[in-house]
Amino acid sequence: EIVMTQSPATLSVSPGERATLSCRASQSVSSNLAWYQQKSGQTPRLLIYGASTRATGIPARFTGSGSGTEFTLTISSLQSEDFAVYYCQQYNDWPPAYTFGQGTKLEIK
Amino acid sequence: QVQLVQSGAEVRKPGASVKVSCKASGYTFTSYHIHWVRQAPGQGLEWMGVINPGTLNTKYAQNYQGRVTMTKDTSTDTVYMDLNSLRSEDTAMYYCCRNKHYFDYWGQGTLVTVSS
Repeated sequence: EIVMTQSPATLSVSPGERATLSCRASQSVSSNLAWYQQKSGQTPRLLIYGASTRATGIPARFTGSGSGTEFTLTISSLQSEDFAVYYCQQYNDWPPAYTFGQGTKLEIK
Repeated sequence: QVQLVQSGAEVRKPGASVKVSCKASGYTFTSYHIHWVRQAPGQGLEWMGVINPGTLNTKYAQNYQGRVTMTKDTSTDTVYMDLNSLRSEDTAMYYCCRNKHYFDYWGQGTLVTVSS
């Protein structure tokens, strides 16, 4: 099973600043990586797939990058609605054994 | 518009089973896989398995092999997730979500509580 490790566990950033979240895979997942945002009490929302493609309706301030084992989600100029928990997910395994990272909580500094 | 609507909250005793439904609308039911993902209180997301409504093929996460069954009813565009031998650690929100690999639409979640 591919293990996904996110860092940091908690990130404190001021509104208007940039946030950089990391996700590492225990083995290469190529570009088969997605990012999700989950606000408190809500359903997860797809942000990025294919490591760098924004999902429909996702603002341009969300940028995904990386391939292989190292991935980054960058949120430029944080808005109040961006404070949430972010999960990465690999979908490289076939037959499927998809795994999520443990999440990074992005909180207001 | 695409919607996945799940059945309501359930309470079960340890050792019992639960069946959660997920009704799809707004797209061709047989064209997209449906996955099940669960989230224990205060915890992260865990993938449980997937069903292909077009072929009936299923694949379950190793942690759930032998305890979970995913089925579908094409006449009602509904997928079901059946989990048996419930224990307290199965208390969680259960989500169905769509697509082959990454999950673009999610159901609203079904809270399953396992308590004696």
